[in-house]
Amino acid sequence: QVQLVESGGGVVQPGGSLRLSCAASGFTFSSYGMHWVRQAPGKGLEWVAFIRYDGSNKYYADSVKGRFTISRDNSKNTLYLQMNSLRAEDTAVYYCAKTHPSGYYYMDVWGKGTTVTVSS
Amino acid sequence: NFMLTQPHSVSESPGKTVTISCTRSSGSIASNYVQWYQQRPGSSPTTVIYEDNQRPSGVPDRFSGSIDSSSNSASLTISGLKTEDEADYYCQSYDSSNQVFGGGTKLTVL
Repeated sequence: QVQLVESGGGVVQPGGSLRLSCAASGFTFSSYGMHWVRQAPGKGLEWVAFIRYDGSNKYYADSVKGRFTISRDNSKNTLYLQMNSLRAEDTAVYYCAKTHPSGYYYMDVWGKGTTVTVSS
Repeated sequence: NFMLTQPHSVSESPGKTVTISCTRSSGSIASNYVQWYQQRPGSSPTTVIYEDNQRPSGVPDRFSGSIDSSSNSASLTISGLKTEDEADYYCQSYDSSNQVFGGGTKLTVL
């Protein structure tokens, strides 16, 4: 079955960096765009970034533009999120989500998330 | 960028019907599809409605979605409420390069 497993979360100091990974299985990873979505403690969902199936286009939320980089390795069925210059407000559970064949706007499968805590 | 506004919370009794609204701040609600996600405590979101009114396989027909251009809003209606429907519900839409989530609505079934 379709599965997404995030990893790489942890505790990091403000200004630090972290790289998240999302291992995909059960579908043809190279055929689907992928999203990162985060959820701060007790808060709602916030879209972070999107990458096309072939990596040719990438889009970011204004709140992370210039600090975060989304990428993918289709040979390893893995999605990444490089997070630099981290701030306290980046503290959240980070989910990766697969898009549906209907369109990039529909996130049809979500991982269980990995927790990032930015604190001194 | 536009915003999607949802009521913070709604509550209803088992067996009843509840409707959750999602109002788009600018641009037409009809110009981009709306999705609805259910998130139970401690779990990841799952889709209950996509493309305004489509149900993924496995989602009961008690869940339905619609859009209303006159109020520039989308709605999620859940009929025959069950205690298992108690969760947070998020609407989501997009424009050319951004995805936008509503703030979420906590549904209490009591």
